[in-house]
Amino acid sequence: GEDVEQSLFLSVREGDSSVINCTYTDSSSTYLYWYKQEPGAGLQLLTYIFSNMDMKQDQRLTVLLNKKDKHLSLRIADTQTGDSAIYFCAEGGSFKTIFGAGTRLFVKA
Amino acid sequence: EPEVTQTPSHQVTQMGQEVILRCVPISNHLYFYWYRQILGQKVEFLVSFYNNEISEKSEIFDDQFSVERPDGSNFTLKIRSTKLEDSAMYFCASSEGPQETQYFGPGTRLLVL
Repeated sequence: GEDVEQSLFLSVREGDSSVINCTYTDSSSTYLYWYKQEPGAGLQLLTYIFSNMDMKQDQRLTVLLNKKDKHLSLRIADTQTGDSAIYFCAEGGSFKTIFGAGTRLFVKA
Repeated sequence: EPEVTQTPSHQVTQMGQEVILRCVPISNHLYFYWYRQILGQKVEFLVSFYNNEISEKSEIFDDQFSVERPDGSNFTLKIRSTKLEDSAMYFCASSEGPQETQYFGPGTRLLVL
């Protein structure tokens, strides 16, 4: 069935780059997403990539997609303490979006 | 920028009571969704809705759940007889089309005692 896997924790120092990885199973997904969730808050759509793209850059965010390996990554350049949150990878393309369990990013000052 | 809104932000109810969670999707969107997130767990798909009908539902969405678009702007999720395990954050989402990006509301945190 459809599944999205991602590592649970990542810890980086302020100013370093963060790379959050994700694998998915549904090769028919049209979109792949990264959502950010701060404590007690809702889901903020950070960025998304069409399945026919390899890379998308948006300010400090870079998304890389390896469709052959079904691997998605999110790179956050110059990570700040305000980037501390849970980051959800998700795949979509039909009536539903399938989410990973989320990667909790800790940023140390 | 248009956004999905949800009310209430928090709801506390007694087990066995009925609750209605409300959502106002983005105005030109035609597809509507409900998801839930039990504390510390994944966001799970519940149901999608289009043209006044359920398009797809998960195994979580059993007979105690129902959805409705009672007017031109609201989209509701009703839980008929709440159970302790229904305690979760419930997210509404909407999209322009079935394969378009879904935009999420801020969520309603439901606590069943």
